[in-house]
Amino acid sequence: TQLLEQSPQFLSIQEGENLTVYCNSSSVFSSLQWYRQEPGEGPVLLVTVVTGGEVKKLKRLTFQFGDARKDSSLHITAAQPGDTGLYLCAAGYSTLTFGKGTMLLVSP
Amino acid sequence: GAVVSQHPSRVICKSGTSVKIECRSLDFQATTMFWYRQFPKQSLMLMATSNEGSKATYEQGVEKDKFLINHASLTLSTLTVTSAHPEDSSFYICSAGSGDQPQHFGDGTRLSIL
Repeated sequence: TQLLEQSPQFLSIQEGENLTVYCNSSSVFSSLQWYRQEPGEGPVLLVTVVTGGEVKKLKRLTFQFGDARKDSSLHITAAQPGDTGLYLCAAGYSTLTFGKGTMLLVSP
Repeated sequence: GAVVSQHPSRVICKSGTSVKIECRSLDFQATTMFWYRQFPKQSLMLMATSNEGSKATYEQGVEKDKFLINHASLTLSTLTVTSAHPEDSSFYICSAGSGDQPQHFGDGTRLSIL
């Protein structure tokens, strides 16, 4: 089982600020997914990264996969209240192991 | 994208009641379905993995006689919480997958045992 450490656990910022969320492991990932979950709903897949050094962009979200495939980051530019939610990284493919998540609160 | 429907979305019942939660893949055949449990402000914890037509594989610490899982078809899996007690109150989420395709999650079921 791959242990995933996410940081920070909680982040409260003002609209327009930038932020970065980290996901780290001592193990090498075969692939990694980032999800966003709103209260009372299931997680929604944002991106899957599989190649070391890979960078993927999804509008204001930038996902980076470490060269050694042991860590990943999610950077949000000019955060908006609609970005509020629990951000989860998960490793694996057919069976997922989730990190503990980062709860992001963006205030107007 | 793929759609997974979970029903009911919320259940409130008395202690000792058995509760069944359904998970359906609406537009694809799910060879594997997963059941997760999530406590407030915590991440998802995998409870069990089920493959169509075979017995579910439970994670360590999850009682298989307490949480009965049936995966009778490629589009439906059910989780039955038997003789539920207040400590079983949680948010239960299912997901469905096929081959190497990413899992698609349902919207969860909030279970509250009084």
